[in-house]
Amino acid sequence: GAVVSQHPSWVICKSGTSVKIECRSLDFQATTMFWYRQFPKQSLMLMATSNEGSKATYEQGVEKDKFLINHASLTLSTLTVTSAHPEDSSFYICSAKTGGVYNEQFFGPGTRLTVL
Amino acid sequence: AQSVTQLDSQVPVFEEAPVELRCNYSSSVSVYLFWYVQYPNQGLQLLLKYLSGSTLVKGINGFEAEFNKSQTSFHLRKPSVHISDTAEYFCAVSDYFHGDMRFGAGTRLTVKP
Repeated sequence: GAVVSQHPSWVICKSGTSVKIECRSLDFQATTMFWYRQFPKQSLMLMATSNEGSKATYEQGVEKDKFLINHASLTLSTLTVTSAHPEDSSFYICSAKTGGVYNEQFFGPGTRLTVL
Repeated sequence: AQSVTQLDSQVPVFEEAPVELRCNYSSSVSVYLFWYVQYPNQGLQLLLKYLSGSTLVKGINGFEAEFNKSQTSFHLRKPSVHISDTAEYFCAVSDYFHGDMRFGAGTRLTVKP
Protein backbone atom coordinates (compact mmCIF):
# COMPACT_ATOMS: atom_id res chain seq x y z
CA GLY A 1 0.00 0.00 0.00
CA ALA A 2 0.90 3.65 -0.18
CA VAL A 3 3.25 4.78 2.58
CA VAL A 4 3.81 8.28 3.88
CA SER A 5 6.65 9.06 6.26
CA GLN A 6 7.34 12.07 8.44
CA HIS A 7 10.57 13.27 9.93
CA PRO A 8 11.23 13.88 12.70
CA SER A 9 8.71 11.89 14.71
CA TRP A 10 9.17 14.28 17.61
CA VAL A 11 11.05 17.50 18.20
CA ILE A 12 11.61 19.81 21.14
CA CYS A 13 12.75 23.35 20.51
CA LYS A 14 13.18 26.65 22.27
CA SER A 15 10.73 29.48 21.81
CA GLY A 16 11.69 31.71 18.92
CA THR A 17 13.44 29.06 16.85
CA SER A 18 12.22 27.55 13.58
CA VAL A 19 11.45 23.90 13.02
CA LYS A 20 11.15 22.02 9.73
CA ILE A 21 9.02 18.91 9.37
CA GLU A 22 9.32 16.69 6.30
CA CYS A 23 6.58 14.63 4.71
CA ARG A 24 7.49 12.05 2.08
CA SER A 25 5.46 9.71 -0.05
CA LEU A 26 7.66 6.65 -0.26
CA ASP A 27 6.14 4.57 -3.03
CA PHE A 28 3.94 6.89 -5.02
CA GLN A 29 3.88 10.36 -6.47
CA ALA A 30 1.72 12.76 -4.50
CA THR A 31 0.19 15.52 -6.55
CA THR A 32 -1.34 17.01 -3.44
CA MET A 33 -0.25 16.97 0.17
CA PHE A 34 -2.17 18.18 3.17
CA TRP A 35 -0.99 19.40 6.57
CA TYR A 36 -3.09 18.95 9.68
CA ARG A 37 -2.68 20.01 13.29
CA GLN A 38 -4.07 18.08 16.19
CA PHE A 39 -4.18 19.44 19.72
CA PRO A 40 -4.46 16.99 22.64
CA LYS A 41 -7.75 15.16 22.74
CA GLN A 42 -9.02 17.07 19.72
CA SER A 43 -9.66 16.31 16.10
CA LEU A 44 -7.45 16.99 13.12
CA MET A 45 -7.74 20.48 11.72
CA LEU A 46 -6.68 21.08 8.14
CA MET A 47 -4.01 23.78 7.98
CA ALA A 48 -3.14 23.90 4.32
CA THR A 49 -3.22 22.11 1.01
CA SER A 50 -0.14 22.04 -1.18
CA ASN A 51 0.19 21.07 -4.80
CA GLU A 52 3.56 20.25 -6.26
CA GLY A 53 5.18 23.29 -7.80
CA SER A 54 2.62 25.83 -6.66
CA LYS A 55 1.89 27.88 -3.58
CA ALA A 56 0.03 26.28 -0.72
CA THR A 57 -3.57 27.14 0.01
CA TYR A 58 -4.08 27.94 3.67
CA GLU A 59 -7.23 27.48 5.69
CA GLN A 60 -8.80 30.51 7.27
CA GLY A 61 -7.03 31.50 10.45
CA VAL A 62 -3.74 29.80 9.62
CA GLU A 63 -0.86 32.24 9.28
CA LYS A 64 0.98 31.52 6.06
CA ASP A 65 4.04 33.51 7.15
CA LYS A 66 4.32 31.42 10.28
CA PHE A 67 3.68 28.03 8.75
CA LEU A 68 5.74 27.88 5.59
CA ILE A 69 4.92 25.04 3.26
CA ASN A 70 7.08 23.93 0.38
CA HIS A 71 6.09 21.17 -2.02
CA ALA A 72 9.14 21.06 -4.24
CA SER A 73 8.71 17.56 -5.64
CA LEU A 74 6.06 14.90 -6.10
CA THR A 75 7.37 13.00 -3.09
CA LEU A 76 8.31 15.69 -0.60
CA SER A 77 6.54 18.49 1.22
CA THR A 78 7.95 20.44 4.15
CA LEU A 79 6.29 22.45 6.86
CA THR A 80 8.42 25.02 8.64
CA VAL A 81 7.12 26.52 11.85
CA THR A 82 8.88 29.86 12.08
CA SER A 83 9.57 31.61 15.37
CA ALA A 84 7.82 28.87 17.25
CA HIS A 85 6.04 29.61 20.50
CA PRO A 86 4.63 27.29 23.17
CA GLU A 87 1.13 27.64 21.71
CA ASP A 88 2.43 26.03 18.51
CA SER A 89 3.09 22.84 20.45
CA SER A 90 0.93 20.23 18.79
CA PHE A 91 0.85 17.02 16.79
CA TYR A 92 1.36 17.75 13.10
CA ILE A 93 0.18 15.19 10.59
CA CYS A 94 0.62 15.23 6.84
CA SER A 95 -1.23 13.27 4.21
CA ALA A 96 -0.68 12.70 0.53
CA LYS A 97 -3.12 12.13 -2.26
CA THR A 98 -2.33 9.99 -5.24
CA GLY A 99 -4.33 11.96 -7.69
CA GLY A 100 -6.44 8.98 -8.60
CA VAL A 101 -10.17 8.94 -9.03
CA TYR A 102 -11.04 8.28 -5.42
CA ASN A 103 -9.16 11.13 -3.78
CA GLU A 104 -7.91 8.81 -1.07
CA GLN A 105 -5.42 10.33 1.30
CA PHE A 106 -2.64 8.40 2.99
CA PHE A 107 -1.52 9.72 6.34
CA GLY A 108 1.90 10.02 7.85
CA PRO A 109 2.62 8.90 11.42
CA GLY A 110 2.71 12.47 12.73
CA THR A 111 5.30 14.74 14.34
CA ARG A 112 5.03 15.80 17.95
CA LEU A 113 6.31 19.38 18.34
CA THR A 114 6.99 20.73 21.81
CA VAL A 115 8.08 24.34 22.13
CA LEU A 116 9.64 25.28 25.47
CA ALA B 1 -18.54 22.94 2.55
CA GLN B 2 -18.78 19.63 4.31
CA SER B 3 -18.99 18.98 8.01
CA VAL B 4 -19.03 15.91 10.21
CA THR B 5 -20.65 15.34 13.57
CA GLN B 6 -19.69 12.44 15.77
CA LEU B 7 -22.47 12.16 18.25
CA ASP B 8 -20.58 10.48 21.07
CA SER B 9 -17.29 11.78 22.44
CA GLN B 10 -16.74 8.66 24.55
CA VAL B 11 -18.09 5.14 24.29
CA PRO B 12 -17.24 2.65 27.04
CA VAL B 13 -18.07 -0.97 26.32
CA PHE B 14 -17.22 -4.38 27.71
CA GLU B 15 -15.08 -6.83 25.81
CA GLU B 16 -16.95 -9.02 23.31
CA ALA B 17 -19.97 -6.68 23.33
CA PRO B 18 -21.17 -5.03 20.11
CA VAL B 19 -20.50 -1.38 19.50
CA GLU B 20 -21.79 1.38 17.24
CA LEU B 21 -20.03 4.70 16.77
CA ARG B 22 -22.27 7.30 15.23
CA CYS B 23 -21.41 9.76 12.50
CA ASN B 24 -23.56 12.24 10.62
CA TYR B 25 -22.40 14.50 7.85
CA SER B 26 -23.66 17.46 5.91
CA SER B 27 -22.70 18.44 2.40
CA SER B 28 -24.23 20.14 -0.59
CA VAL B 29 -22.37 17.85 -2.98
CA SER B 30 -21.66 14.17 -3.27
CA VAL B 31 -19.01 12.94 -0.89
CA TYR B 32 -16.74 10.13 0.04
CA LEU B 33 -16.87 8.93 3.66
CA PHE B 34 -14.16 7.41 5.80
CA TRP B 35 -13.50 5.99 9.23
CA TYR B 36 -10.02 6.17 10.71
CA VAL B 37 -8.55 4.82 13.94
CA GLN B 38 -5.80 6.53 15.87
CA TYR B 39 -3.77 4.92 18.62
CA PRO B 40 -1.91 7.17 21.11
CA ASN B 41 0.87 9.24 19.55
CA GLN B 42 0.36 7.67 16.16
CA GLY B 43 -1.05 8.75 12.83
CA LEU B 44 -4.32 7.64 11.31
CA GLN B 45 -5.08 4.19 10.03
CA LEU B 46 -7.89 3.75 7.53
CA LEU B 47 -10.57 1.35 8.74
CA LEU B 48 -12.92 1.60 5.79
CA LYS B 49 -14.29 3.95 3.18
CA TYR B 50 -17.44 4.51 1.19
CA LEU B 51 -16.90 5.70 -2.36
CA SER B 52 -19.89 4.37 -4.24
CA GLY B 53 -21.88 1.20 -4.76
CA SER B 54 -23.01 -0.99 -1.90
CA THR B 55 -24.01 1.03 1.13
CA LEU B 56 -22.64 -1.59 3.53
CA VAL B 57 -18.89 -1.31 3.68
CA LYS B 58 -16.63 -3.82 5.37
CA GLY B 59 -13.25 -2.80 6.68
CA ILE B 60 -10.31 -4.12 8.60
CA ASN B 61 -10.36 -5.60 12.11
CA GLY B 62 -13.99 -6.73 11.76
CA PHE B 63 -15.47 -3.24 11.45
CA GLU B 64 -18.22 -2.30 9.06
CA ALA B 65 -20.23 0.83 8.32
CA GLU B 66 -23.44 1.62 6.51
CA PHE B 67 -23.96 4.67 4.36
CA ASN B 68 -27.46 6.08 4.71
CA LYS B 69 -27.99 8.92 2.29
CA SER B 70 -31.48 9.86 3.49
CA GLN B 71 -30.25 10.18 7.07
CA THR B 72 -26.83 11.50 6.06
CA SER B 73 -25.21 9.00 8.37
CA PHE B 74 -22.25 6.65 8.24
CA HIS B 75 -22.26 4.74 11.51
CA LEU B 76 -19.43 2.36 12.37
CA ARG B 77 -20.19 -1.02 13.91
CA LYS B 78 -18.42 -4.08 15.23
CA PRO B 79 -20.29 -7.13 16.53
CA SER B 80 -17.73 -8.07 19.18
CA VAL B 81 -14.97 -5.76 20.38
CA HIS B 82 -11.57 -6.59 21.82
CA ILE B 83 -9.41 -4.80 24.34
CA SER B 84 -7.09 -3.89 21.47
CA ASP B 85 -9.89 -1.86 19.84
CA THR B 86 -9.46 0.80 22.52
CA ALA B 87 -8.50 3.91 20.54
CA GLU B 88 -9.79 7.16 19.08
CA TYR B 89 -12.02 6.84 16.03
CA PHE B 90 -12.55 9.60 13.50
CA CYS B 91 -15.21 9.91 10.85
CA ALA B 92 -14.24 12.02 7.85
CA VAL B 93 -15.80 13.36 4.68
CA SER B 94 -14.18 14.41 1.44
CA ASP B 95 -15.85 15.89 -1.58
CA TYR B 96 -15.33 14.61 -5.10
CA PHE B 97 -13.71 17.70 -6.49
CA HIS B 98 -11.27 19.21 -4.03
CA GLY B 99 -10.28 16.20 -2.01
CA ASP B 100 -9.67 18.07 1.21
CA MET B 101 -10.91 16.08 4.15
CA ARG B 102 -12.95 17.25 7.12
CA PHE B 103 -12.90 15.30 10.33
CA GLY B 104 -15.36 14.81 13.13
CA ALA B 105 -14.33 15.54 16.70
CA GLY B 106 -13.57 11.91 17.36
CA THR B 107 -15.01 9.18 19.56
CA ARG B 108 -12.93 7.60 22.25
CA LEU B 109 -13.76 3.88 22.38
CA THR B 110 -12.72 2.22 25.63
CA VAL B 111 -13.09 -1.54 25.84
CA LYS B 112 -13.18 -2.88 29.37
CA PRO B 113 -12.36 -6.47 30.39
